[in-house]
Amino acid sequence: DVKVTQSSRYLVKRTGEKVFLECVQDMDHENMFWHRQDPGLGLRLIYFSYDVKMKEKGDIPEGYSVSREKKERFSLILESASTNQTSMYLCASRRAGGSEKLFFGSGTQLSVL
Amino acid sequence: QQQVKQSPQSLIVQKGGISIINCAYENTAFDYFPWYQQFPGKGPALLIAIRPDVSEKKEGRFTISFNKSAKQFSLHIMDSQPGDSATYFCAASWLGSNYKLTFGKGTLLTVNP
Repeated sequence: DVKVTQSSRYLVKRTGEKVFLECVQDMDHENMFWHRQDPGLGLRLIYFSYDVKMKEKGDIPEGYSVSREKKERFSLILESASTNQTSMYLCASRRAGGSEKLFFGSGTQLSVL
Repeated sequence: QQQVKQSPQSLIVQKGGISIINCAYENTAFDYFPWYQQFPGKGPALLIAIRPDVSEKKEGRFTISFNKSAKQFSLHIMDSQPGDSATYFCAASWLGSNYKLTFGKGTLLTVNP
């Protein structure tokens, strides 16, 4: 079965720190995603990568950047963490194509103090 | 703007009852409508999906009903069980967005024994 692994389950950072969230998938999927999940707001897409070194902004990219140097790894970067970036971050991957299902990781709960 | 509106925000059902969650969308170009199920501490997982060329799709106790003219679709859970207690997200996507999913805000379903 597909496995999407996020490097940390819980993370606590200080305001202004540079934060890296790492995600690795083991099924050679072309597409990878970063979402954030907040109570009452559902899942919102931050960035999407449709292939290595290719990226596309989602609905809420401000304050974030991404890196995809290898097919299996997709990193989310918070250049200067702020308290409003405290959230659950969910990575996902899928094969390229319209109706391919997303496989999600278990999430990283980030707290920015 | 919110392109997929989901209701209710929370739902309590007795064991054996029918759970109904509704979603409405605005973009008539959407052509793929999945539902994802999320248990506490886990990432969402695909439950069932439909394309607009059919009005209903059933998989076990789970049924999607689709009304293209009304731009609405709903999830029905028959014979609801305590193990169905989870958060449910509807979503929609289309070719023009590279099939990036737009999610509803989620419904927390509680099935009482």
